[in-house]
Amino acid sequence: AQSVTQLDSQVPVFEEAPVELRCNYSSSVSVYLFWYVQYPNQGLQLLLKYLSGSTLVKGINGFEAEFNKSQTSFHLRKPSVHISDTAEYFCAVTHGNQGGKLIFGQGTELSVKP
Amino acid sequence: ETGVTQTPRHLVMGMTNKKSLKCEQHLGHNAMYWYKQSAKKPLELMFVYNFKEQTENNSVPSRFSPECPNSSHLFLHLHTLQPEDSALYLCASSHEGYEQYFGPGTRLTVT
Repeated sequence: AQSVTQLDSQVPVFEEAPVELRCNYSSSVSVYLFWYVQYPNQGLQLLLKYLSGSTLVKGINGFEAEFNKSQTSFHLRKPSVHISDTAEYFCAVTHGNQGGKLIFGQGTELSVKP
Repeated sequence: ETGVTQTPRHLVMGMTNKKSLKCEQHLGHNAMYWYKQSAKKPLELMFVYNFKEQTENNSVPSRFSPECPNSSHLFLHLHTLQPEDSALYLCASSHEGYEQYFGPGTRLTVT
């Protein structure tokens, strides 16, 4: 069965510092991978996705992620964070033939301090 | 209206009440989903509809009853809820099972 592990439940970081949020998945077949962001009292917003092609994926708000098949990882990075990036971040995985069933990680709370 | 909308945004109901949550997607997608998000827990997929047909019921108690009259609208009918059902209920839609787009959610409190 598929699973997604977000290795850090909380990541505190200072403004303008770089950040990496880690995500590992377990699957024996090809996968599609996603990162979502959730601001307080809001729904989830798609940050970026990997379906195929280049393993380095760029998303909104300056975020990017790299798909590493050998390490089954899809870590999210930003070179310089802002206070407004404070939110919960979710990694998710699916196969194309699963009728859209997404498996979510437990979430990582990113807290950006001035 | 654009994207995925949900009403109401907040709902407080007693354990004997009957209420409904509404979701509407304006994206032309063919699949719709209900999720439950409780504090400190991963998102729980509740129901999946593809082309108005229910394709997934993730062992959800019968006090939650979904309805999908067409590909753009999804309802979640609630009755005889328990306090542990208090959560954020999220609706999402997708095209051909790829990335899902979420609504803002309904914050439900059962008293």
